[in-house]
Amino acid sequence: KAGVTQTPRYLIKTRGQQVTLSCSPISGHRSVSWYQQTPGQGLQFLFEYFSETQRNKGNFPGRFSGRQFSNSRSEMNVSTLELGDSALYLCASSLKGSGNTIYFGEGSWLTVV
Amino acid sequence: TQLLEQSPQFLSIQEGENLTVYCNSSSVFSSLQWYRQEPGEGPVLLVTVVTGGEVKKLKRLTFQFGDARKDSSLHITAAQPGDTGLYLCAEPSKTSYDKVIFGPGTSLSVIP
Repeated sequence: KAGVTQTPRYLIKTRGQQVTLSCSPISGHRSVSWYQQTPGQGLQFLFEYFSETQRNKGNFPGRFSGRQFSNSRSEMNVSTLELGDSALYLCASSLKGSGNTIYFGEGSWLTVV
Repeated sequence: TQLLEQSPQFLSIQEGENLTVYCNSSSVFSSLQWYRQEPGEGPVLLVTVVTGGEVKKLKRLTFQFGDARKDSSLHITAAQPGDTGLYLCAEPSKTSYDKVIFGPGTSLSVIP
């Protein structure tokens, strides 16, 4: 079956702009989580959604938000972009969260200039 | 707060050599996972260990969970260039749904 699909794979934005990233989980998976990966901070948890509800949130400012649709697809949005937001944004899905194995997508590379 | 440490941070070896990377925590692991992330890809789960003292093998990779469940090691025998990547240990959060805490990773480069 198809894996986790993220779009776009690469994008460049200017400081102050906003960006929306999309994630399609593995078919049947209802939990979607998002992570930010940078060389300095490593992989850090952003938030997790299950059945269109945010169940869990990491320590990121309110400029980072997300949502999940009824078909389990998810989007994350970053507003008022800063240079430090340049990172690989990874989406992961699992059947229902809570300790299930998570499967990552290939990520969206965001560069803020 | 769960903190995972990994060592070494970087490792560059010749093809055919053996290596071991380590992961330890400030507290007892409930379970521990190892992932490999190849350049340009997302992390892929290699193994989950649950029981103290557990040893699991995946071809040339041997994973060991410490008896006290506060540390783990990954040993690679006869490394190949295809083993190149970032090796991450991770633990599901004890307090939050589907929140996985990742270590900083060991970046391995195997030179042909």
